[in-house]
Amino acid sequence: QVQLVESGGGVVQPGGSLRLSCAASGFTFSSCAMHWVRQAPGKGLEWVAVISYDGRKKYYADSVKGRFSISRDDSKNTLYVQMNSLRAEDTAVYYCARYSGTYSFDYWGQGTLVTVSS
Amino acid sequence: AIQLTQSPSSLSASVGDRVTITCRASQGITSALAWYQQKPGKAPNLLIYDASSLQSGVPSRFSGTGSGTDFTLTISSLQPEDFATYYCQHFNGSPYTFGQGTRLDIK
Repeated sequence: QVQLVESGGGVVQPGGSLRLSCAASGFTFSSCAMHWVRQAPGKGLEWVAVISYDGRKKYYADSVKGRFSISRDDSKNTLYVQMNSLRAEDTAVYYCARYSGTYSFDYWGQGTLVTVSS
Repeated sequence: AIQLTQSPSSLSASVGDRVTITCRASQGITSALAWYQQKPGKAPNLLIYDASSLQSGVPSRFSGTGSGTDFTLTISSLQPEDFATYYCQHFNGSPYTFGQGTRLDIK
């Protein structure tokens, strides 16, 4: 069965960096576009970034552009997001999600919490 | 960037009620829209894709309609497990924004 498992969350000081990982299994990872979505405490969902199935195309929300970098390692079936220059407003649960191919995210990970605080 | 506006932002209803949530896009997005249900502490769960297609395993009391700028999610007869927050999301190009959410509470 399809599984997405995020890791790498934690507490980081403002201005710091963190790399999140999303380990995928149960499907052909290299055939799927993958996304990151976040949710600040008590708030709604915010789309963060996408990487195409072949890694050639990457797009970001304006709120993270220039600070976050999405990547993938198909040999490890793993999606990453490198987060630099972190701010308090980046505090959120970060989810990875698989694009279904038909206008939706059909599988989501359980999320990993990132807290930016001094 | 395309903005999605959901209404209402919150809603109180009873078991057995018929409920409709709307999602309006700031520009036409054809049928490139999904609906999700999220319960506290859990990841979102896909209900509807391509505006009106029911995801496998989702009860048939959920349905979606619309195209262009106006979309609706309908729950035909509310069940206790349906009390949650609902989000729409568009797929008409980056950024793939979500609506602000509709919280559905028990009356």
